[in-house]
Order: sequence, then structure tokens, then C-alpha cells
Amino acid sequence: QSVLTQPPSVSAAPGHKVAISCSGGSSMVGNNYISWYQQLPGTAPKVLIYDNGKRYSGVPDRFSGSKSGTSATLAITGLQTGDEAEYYCGTWDSDLSEYVFGTGTKVTVL
Amino acid sequence: QVQLVQSGAEVKKPGASVKVSCKASGYTFTSYDLNWVRQATGQGLEWMGWMNPNSGNTGYGQKFQGRVTITRDTSISTVYMELSSLRSEDTAIYYCARGSTILDYWGQGTLVAVSS
Repeated sequence: QSVLTQPPSVSAAPGHKVAISCSGGSSMVGNNYISWYQQLPGTAPKVLIYDNGKRYSGVPDRFSGSKSGTSATLAITGLQTGDEAEYYCGTWDSDLSEYVFGTGTKVTVL
Repeated sequence: QVQLVQSGAEVKKPGASVKVSCKASGYTFTSYDLNWVRQATGQGLEWMGWMNPNSGNTGYGQKFQGRVTITRDTSISTVYMELSSLRSEDTAIYYCARGSTILDYWGQGTLVAVSS
């Protein structure tokens, strides 16, 4: 099963910024829309960003998404302790006809 | 409000099958695909398959082909995921999630434990 590659962890102090990368081939990232999901401990994932850079309803503008070539990025500014969670990118792989998730990134607020 | 409510936890023996349900409410059941995603303890998200509740069409991940079956009962707005030939590595939380390119609503998750 193909996956999208993310860094295992990122961290920063409160109020600072983190950026999470998500890389994959053209059949995944390059030619498809990327979504980003936040999973707080012990809860189901919830969508933050869709279509590469659109914020889902109710998501603060501290969260933003972008894509360039075969890599996508989720940025979180003004980091808060409540942002400590696992973050996953995801997309529909048109070659495999499967939904593919990233390997996940744990965000720690120092 | 949109809700996906899943059935309760299951304990199964190796080689058995499990069937998990996902009841949708708050929207037109046949208007959105439903997916199944699982997560082993401490691991990442793993997509298993999807169903179009309107047509009944399904698609399954290569890893699960031949072992997973997704069905639905439109009269009660419920989708089912059955996984057969269970092994210990199938111990995980199983989620249903609405959508196709974006998974916008998720069920609360169902723990399936496989143990002899």
C-alpha cells in the first residue's frame, strides 16, 4: 500500500510556527488534491484543510495548506497547547484507486 | 447535524470474522460515499475501502482484497464492514468516514481485538 511521507515529529514553543511536509509521487500528490487531518489523543480524526489549501468550516486561520509539485505543506502559526496532536495528509491515488494517508506527524508544543 | 454512529467493541478469535456497522444521520444517506479506515494502537491511518450507498458500488484497498466486504442497508441508512480470516495484526480501531476526496465526518471508532 502506497503512503505519503511525513516527518515523524515537529515541535515549537507556544506562539511559534511549525510546518509539516507531505511528499509523494505524481499519481498521489502531484495530480490530486491534498487534505489534512488532525487527530487529538483518543479521538477520531477531523479534517482541517481540503483541496490543498481550503480551510474546512470552523477551522482557525492559524492553519493553512499549500502544495507545490509533489509536495504539500501544512503550516500552523501561533501554536497553542491545544494543537498537540497527530496530523495526517491524505489524498485519493488515481492510479491505485485508493485513498492514501501520510505516515503522520506528531506536533509537540514545548 | 451529521452523525456517524458505529457499533460497539468486539473481541474475536483468530480465523473468525467481524462485522462493524456505521449508522448515518443528519444528511441524505445516498448522497455521499462512506469509507472504512483503521488504526492499530500507536500506528497511522490505513484506508480499507469505500462504498457508494446510492449505487452499491465498492472499492477495496489492495491489502484487504478478498478479506473485506462492505455492504449497506439503505432502509436504515447503515453501512457495514465485514473483515474475515482475522489475525492478531487486525487488532485496531475501525472508523467509518464520509466522503470521497475529503473525509469530512468520522464515526467514533470501533475497537476490534483479535486474541486467542
